[in-house]
Amino acid sequence: KAGVTQTPRYLIKTRGQQVTLSCSPISGHRSVSWYQQTPGQGLQFLFEYFSETQRNKGNFPGRFSGRQFSNSRSEMNVSTLELGDSALYLCASIKENTDTQYFGPGTRLTVL
Amino acid sequence: SQQGEEDPQALSIQEGENATMNCSYKTSINNLQWYRQNSGRGLVHLILIRSNEREKHSGRLRVTLDTSKKSSSLLITASRAADTASYFCATSDRFKTIFGAGTRLFVKA
Repeated sequence: KAGVTQTPRYLIKTRGQQVTLSCSPISGHRSVSWYQQTPGQGLQFLFEYFSETQRNKGNFPGRFSGRQFSNSRSEMNVSTLELGDSALYLCASIKENTDTQYFGPGTRLTVL
Repeated sequence: SQQGEEDPQALSIQEGENATMNCSYKTSINNLQWYRQNSGRGLVHLILIRSNEREKHSGRLRVTLDTSKKSSSLLITASRAADTASYFCATSDRFKTIFGAGTRLFVKA
């Protein structure tokens, strides 16, 4: 079974731009979570989607949004990028009826 | 704020020694999990222990959970250089998983 894939792996943007990151979960997994990881704040929960519905949301501003498609693939979008948005963005797919998360390799976003 | 807090923040040991990391959390949980992360890559799930379990083993890993103290420990026995990584505990309630700040383990060959 293929693992979680995230695209792109690396991204460089400038302040004020917007960015869309993509995550394809493991086949059969319907739940996807997103996390932001920075040296200062560690791993912070962004949101979780299940069957195209946002089930939970972390404490991030409205510039951070996401969605999930009928094939369980998920995207997250960050608008009006700030320098502090530079981070590793991790996506995880969750096996149903478990809490075990399978993480992708992440997208490293650098905002200049 | 993070639910799980690991200690120590960093640990350096010799190959062959045991490594123990601790995690404390604040609220009721369904389960507690430990993950490993190598060099800023994605996390790898190591082990999950449910709130009604006290101890669990997986290979060289041993996890304990004390719900009365809201704490857990991860023991890695006979450590190897390849165990060098950051280790995170994560607690889950119904929908949300919250990660601690992590312990950075360095195993010297």
